[in-house]
Amino acid sequence: NAGVTQTPKFQVLKTGQSMTLQCAQDMNHNSMYWYRQDPGMGLRLIYYSASEGTTDKGEVPNGYNVSRLNKREFSLRLESAAPSQTSVYFCASTLSGGAQETQYFGPGTRLLVL
Amino acid sequence: SQKIEQNSEALNIQEGKTATLTCNYTNYSPAYLQWYRQDPGRGPVFLLLIRENEKEKRKERLKVTFDTTLKQSLFHITASQPADSATYLCALDEADSWGKLQFGAGTQVVVTP
Repeated sequence: NAGVTQTPKFQVLKTGQSMTLQCAQDMNHNSMYWYRQDPGMGLRLIYYSASEGTTDKGEVPNGYNVSRLNKREFSLRLESAAPSQTSVYFCASTLSGGAQETQYFGPGTRLLVL
Repeated sequence: SQKIEQNSEALNIQEGKTATLTCNYTNYSPAYLQWYRQDPGRGPVFLLLIRENEKEKRKERLKVTFDTTLKQSLFHITASQPADSATYLCALDEADSWGKLQFGAGTQVVVTP
């Protein structure tokens, strides 16, 4: 099992460009999450999907959109990238999104917006 | 406002000693508290979970305490080894959060031989 995979690993964008970050899990998990991690700050939730077909905003959703393509895949789209979106992005999944569940994280995508 | 605080300064410790990390929170009512380990360039990895009605939890050389009165969790690594060098994150899980964890910024631990 690969667990949670993310592509790409690194990306450099110019302000105003768009891109989609891909995430897939092979653990048959129902719930998936997108976080961003900035220096000196905790992981902050951007969007989450409690189950296939549903998505909801997290703490910092502005400037992002998501798609839960199927049970395995959850993508994050930046329509018009801004320098403030320079960050490391992590995808995570849990079995059913309930309390006390372990989150399984991907390796991250490092994004630089110039 | 809601806040989770972990020591921002790196904890430098000699091999064999016990490392103790703190996680303090305000304006949260966590039902559970989790600790994760993060190595440079990698995603966080789950270590331990403790429930609000548990005082202490152990796993091998790791020990976590949870004091809801003090609003604090302590994370101990006993007999520390250089391989324990990493950043450790605490995360709060409120009962109705549907898995939406609130993370602290983490504390870096450096274990020297």
